[in-house]
Amino acid sequence: QQPVQSPQAVILREGEDAVINCSSSKALYSVHWYRQKHGEAPVFLMILLKGGEQKGHEKISASFNEKKQQSSLYLTASQLSYSGTYFCGTEWGSQGNLIFGKGTKLSVKP
Amino acid sequence: DGGITQSPKYLFRKEGQNVTLSCEQNLNHDAMYWYRQDPGQGLRLIYYSQIVNDFQKGDIAEGYSVSREKKESFPLTVTSAQKNPTAFYLCATRRALMTVGDGYTFGSGTRLTVV
Repeated sequence: QQPVQSPQAVILREGEDAVINCSSSKALYSVHWYRQKHGEAPVFLMILLKGGEQKGHEKISASFNEKKQQSSLYLTASQLSYSGTYFCGTEWGSQGNLIFGKGTKLSVKP
Repeated sequence: DGGITQSPKYLFRKEGQNVTLSCEQNLNHDAMYWYRQDPGQGLRLIYYSQIVNDFQKGDIAEGYSVSREKKESFPLTVTSAQKNPTAFYLCATRRALMTVGDGYTFGSGTRLTVV
């Protein structure tokens, strides 16, 4: 039950905002967000636990709606360094491993 | 500085060969994972381990094998039974299998190509 990410790709100008969504068909225990630059390893951004909390990392924040089984990643005032592919990873319970979405490719242009 | 070392960075395999990808960590993390990444597919779980001498199959374990003889090491063998092994392989660790609030730390990956 791979989570579904949308959109698949987005192109922004520097300073613009973007939202990336991650939806699951199963009740979620937690949602992770990672960013991967081309040819590199994914880097952990943040984790959201069930309870609807919102977290932030610089100008990147995320929310988790447990009832809707979805999470959203918010990128505000985007910078060139935000370019990359963003993955959500979902955790359902005690299995202890993540199932990742297919990713959203974000390109920020000058 | 703690981290994960994957080697080699690039690996070429002939048809019918078994090859082993190395993953070593000095983070003192209990849980270790192997993921495979194909273009447009995201990361798919091959195997994971939460303790020495114990490991579980992930979603795409067929054609792969692992061992966990030491806490620091979790090598992945791609056997000749894996029909389409060309991919980017990522090793990851986590402090423990069920750690509230912790994310994964990934190695830099091994790119395997069948020639």
